[in-house]
Amino acid sequence: ILNVEQSPQSLHVQEGDSTNFTCSFPSSNFYALHWYRWETAKSPEALFVMTLNGDEKKKGRISATLNTKEGYSYLYIKGSQPEDSATYLCAFRGGSNYKLTFGKGTLLTVNP
Amino acid sequence: GAVVSQHPSWVICKSGTSVKIECRSLDFQATTMFWYRQFPKQSLMLMATSNEGSKATYEQGVEKDKFLINHASLTLSTLTVTSAHPEDSSFYICSAVGGEETQYFGPGTRLLVL
Repeated sequence: ILNVEQSPQSLHVQEGDSTNFTCSFPSSNFYALHWYRWETAKSPEALFVMTLNGDEKKKGRISATLNTKEGYSYLYIKGSQPEDSATYLCAFRGGSNYKLTFGKGTLLTVNP
Repeated sequence: GAVVSQHPSWVICKSGTSVKIECRSLDFQATTMFWYRQFPKQSLMLMATSNEGSKATYEQGVEKDKFLINHASLTLSTLTVTSAHPEDSSFYICSAVGGEETQYFGPGTRLLVL
């Protein structure tokens, strides 16, 4: 059974704060690491697909880094806004068959 | 682009009845679709992978005769929960890929079996 862990489970920050959270995954047989943003009652929204060790991706105020050798990825949000409030999921892909193993997510609440 | 719809968004049914959930890719052709289930405070767990025109591949511990999956076209997959029981109450969500890496998700279906 693959183990994908996300921390913290939940996070409360004030508007304007920058924040980050972690996804850890198996360091062997790595193929890709996915990040999703999931608002209540909506579809999970794909943020990043990361495949290369040392990769860094950015989308607006959100960025992510990847370390496949030690099995972790960080997601950063700069200047958090209330609309960033959501659950952030990471998912590990360990082969070529598209199968994703998800973490439990980090619930971010940004207070105005 | 890359929108996936799911219907219904929630359903309540009596124990012993069957429930069908539809997953549609609205603006792309989905070569592969996936069905996940999420219990409270747990992660999304893959139930099965379906490819258009072929039998679904089920994950270990998922009963294929209970969770019937049909992927009849490149834009539609259905999951039928047969003879549903209260322990089948859960959140079911589908995703689809169209040849690229990203899986696009539907909004999910909450099933409550009484």
